[in-house]
Amino acid sequence: GAGVSQSPRYKVAKRGQDVALRCDPISGHVSLFWYQQALGQGPEFLTYFQNEAQLDKSGLPSDRFFAERPEGSVSTLKIQRTQQEDSAVYLCASSLAGWRPYGYTFGSGTRLTVV
Amino acid sequence: TQLLEQSPQFLSIQEGENLTVYCNSSSVFSSLQWYRQEPGEGPVLLVTVVTGGEVKKLKRLTFQFGDARKDSSLHITAAQPGDTGLYLCAGIGNTGTASKLTFGTGTRLQVTL
Repeated sequence: GAGVSQSPRYKVAKRGQDVALRCDPISGHVSLFWYQQALGQGPEFLTYFQNEAQLDKSGLPSDRFFAERPEGSVSTLKIQRTQQEDSAVYLCASSLAGWRPYGYTFGSGTRLTVV
Repeated sequence: TQLLEQSPQFLSIQEGENLTVYCNSSSVFSSLQWYRQEPGEGPVLLVTVVTGGEVKKLKRLTFQFGDARKDSSLHITAAQPGDTGLYLCAGIGNTGTASKLTFGTGTRLQVTL
């Protein structure tokens, strides 16, 4: 597609529920990133894929967070047993390559609210 | 941990005024990007600066990368209501194979008529 597509746009989850957030990157983009953006803050890095390989998951806040990109295109970020502190906007970005100084294209994000 | 501090946090000005947003860090970055984010949308890349001391202009926006590649500034001339948004600087580090971004704390700009 023309841009990075994320779904759903909004998700309300009860505390303890599992959620799955989807990212469709721009076709042909090798690199895919997930970021978490709390209200009024800048995004924070969660994890990075190059094709299907997850090369960096140092930003995942706990073992409740899991991401995959099995065929090197669509990616899913899964959060198990959601907690209120997980409430944030989850942004996906893709780029043609992971090398500087290529730019990143971000999706519009999924706003997760845990109640 | 690399931290990027932006100042000011909030800025409310009238159309036609000039403004400067600062992005400072104690760490050196190989390059730095500026993004603008509007409510309900993802950040949109404005510019990438790579060389220390580099100055780039994008219409009424002027971006500068510090000589030591630790800081940057964004200057907007004759601001317009369409400039309203959250401005984010983001640094790309020197290490690792992944060009993950370290975002600044953000500057929220409101331009009124």
